[in-house]
Amino acid sequence: AQSVTQLGSHVSVSEGALVLLRCNYSSSVPPYLFWYVQYPNQGLQLLLKYTSAATLVKGINGFEAEFKKSETSFHLTKPSAHMSDAAEYFCAATYFGNEKLTFGTGTRLTIIP
Amino acid sequence: GAGVSQSPSNKVTEKGKDVELRCDPISGHTALYWYRQSLGQGLEFLIYFQGNSAPDKSGLPSDRFSAERTGGSVSTLTIQRTQQEDSAVYLCASSQTKTGGGKNEQFFGPGTRLTVL
Repeated sequence: AQSVTQLGSHVSVSEGALVLLRCNYSSSVPPYLFWYVQYPNQGLQLLLKYTSAATLVKGINGFEAEFKKSETSFHLTKPSAHMSDAAEYFCAATYFGNEKLTFGTGTRLTIIP
Repeated sequence: GAGVSQSPSNKVTEKGKDVELRCDPISGHTALYWYRQSLGQGLEFLIYFQGNSAPDKSGLPSDRFSAERTGGSVSTLTIQRTQQEDSAVYLCASSQTKTGGGKNEQFFGPGTRLTVL
């Protein structure tokens, strides 16, 4: 079955440091890929998505992600972390034209002052 | 405009009781989805509606779970004879998809936290 893998359930970075959250997908046919953020007691908010146009995708709040087919990866980055970035981040995919999202297990990002 | 709304925000019930969870999608969105978020299983897809039809209900975990959508708008997820393992946050999402092929953004509601005692 198709899956999404997020390496690292918890990531801590210092304020102002680079944020790197990892995501890998499992199929030989590239899916559509999404990064969502979830703040405590809230629903999910879309940060950015890859739909086979540009491989470098820019999203909201200064985040971006690069699709690399050779590595089956879609890692999320932000050059300089801010305290407000503390949240849980989910990578997700839709496979083979299906509408349902397949989620990774999530990465909780902590920002150290 | 208004986002996806869900009610109730919290529901505590006793094992064996039936519960109904409601979702109001964004006006004009034809697609509606239910997901479940639990500590043990993460975020799982339950069912997808296009209009009032459910072309994909592959994620419903058992026949105790059912969902319907009326008027192409409001959806209700019903869990019969609740069990403790049903405790989770139930999230609803909607999108403008008609034939998006999986590329359209899904907009999520705040969820209903269900606790089964």
